[in-house]
Amino acid sequence: DAGVIQSPRHEVTEMGQEVTLRCKPISGHDYLFWYRQTMMRGLELLIYFNNNVPIDDSGMPEDRFSAKMPNASFSTLKIQPSEPRDSAVYFCASSPVPSSYNSPLHFGNGTRLTVT
Amino acid sequence: EDQVTQSPEALRLQEGESSSLNCSYTVSGLRGLFWYRQDPGKGPEFLFTLYSAGEEKEKERLKATLTKKESFLHITAPKPEDSATYLCAVHADFQGAQKLVFGQGTRLTINP
Repeated sequence: DAGVIQSPRHEVTEMGQEVTLRCKPISGHDYLFWYRQTMMRGLELLIYFNNNVPIDDSGMPEDRFSAKMPNASFSTLKIQPSEPRDSAVYFCASSPVPSSYNSPLHFGNGTRLTVT
Repeated sequence: EDQVTQSPEALRLQEGESSSLNCSYTVSGLRGLFWYRQDPGKGPEFLFTLYSAGEEKEKERLKATLTKKESFLHITAPKPEDSATYLCAVHADFQGAQKLVFGQGTRLTINP
């Protein structure tokens, strides 16, 4: 298996622009997670899905952030409008049934977002 | 306050010099503790899961142990390729909700 695939690897955009990050989880994994990593705050969970349904979005910082999972093999994280403080590395991770937390997470290589 | 703390923040060792990394936690209802390795420009890669105090897991030069308050990642005779950031993550009840919370990580450098 190719693992979790994220695109783009790097994104540089100007403040106010819309940004869309993409993720393809490992086939057969029913849980998908979006994390954000910064030097100051480390890895923070933004949202996770089970069988394409959002379960916990309490980590989504603001209404500017939205995430969708239209099918089992694709998810997006959108920021609109983007701000410089959104600059971070965004990771997507997936894990298999039956447990969302007691199974190891398989991470993609992340998208490094820079908002100027 | 429930939290996960890793120490030290950074550690520099000579090749072959054994040491330990610490992950301490103050939570109720620990359900599992995970260790991950993260290389620059990559996502974290799973190493171990520990579920109960006294449990130990080993993989090559790494051994993870767990007590009721902390976990240690022992590195024996490390090599330069062991250089990475090591993250621990705790699955527990945080303020009444099940969460997986990551520590800030320990950046390990092994000099040849």
